[in-house]
Amino acid sequence: DAMVIQNPRYQVTQFGKPVTLSCSQTLNHNVMYWYQQKSSQAPKLLFHYYDKDFNNEADTPDNFQSRRPNTSFCFLDIRSPGLGDAAMYLCATSRDGGGEQYFGPGTRLTVT
Amino acid sequence: QQQVKQSPQSLIVQKGGISIINCAYENTAFDYFPWYQQFPGKGPALLIAIRPDVSEKKEGRFTISFNKSAKQFSLHIMDSQPGDSATYFCAATINRDNYGQNFVFGPGTRLSVLP
Repeated sequence: DAMVIQNPRYQVTQFGKPVTLSCSQTLNHNVMYWYQQKSSQAPKLLFHYYDKDFNNEADTPDNFQSRRPNTSFCFLDIRSPGLGDAAMYLCATSRDGGGEQYFGPGTRLTVT
Repeated sequence: QQQVKQSPQSLIVQKGGISIINCAYENTAFDYFPWYQQFPGKGPALLIAIRPDVSEKKEGRFTISFNKSAKQFSLHIMDSQPGDSATYFCAATINRDNYGQNFVFGPGTRLSVLP
């Protein structure tokens, strides 16, 4: 089945220690998104790639970076995680920015 | 302008009952309205969606009603089951321009269906 895959599902990192989350997709969608979701809140868009074009949301902290080496893969790098960065991180895809976004299962990040 | 309001924040329904979640938007440029279902520890899953050229869309037990003039839309879950217990997010988006402020989630409704 075509899908969005995120690894790892759970990640524990230390305060200030860089961490990378990964996302891959078999949908062959050209748009990929990264969201942050905290408990009992809606997902918050951090940035997205339209093909190779990177688009950062205005309020996304500089601490968050992303890489998309090819159509199928996208990475979220958190350079110096703080306690406030503990959250669920969701990857999503869409075709040509169509209204439907398809989400992965998420990575639960814990910062100790 | 970009906000999507959603109510209620939480909802408790008996098994077999009807669950109703309401959303409202301001930006008339929105042209696609999906609903997402999210179980604890999982990513949101697209449940059903509607475009503003129709007033209602039904898929199984799930129905979206859309009122373009009032800029409101709602999700009805008929014959609610305990397995429907989840958080439901409405969203409003501009199709083919689905980025940033052009894709807005409502704050979510936590539904609990009692057995």
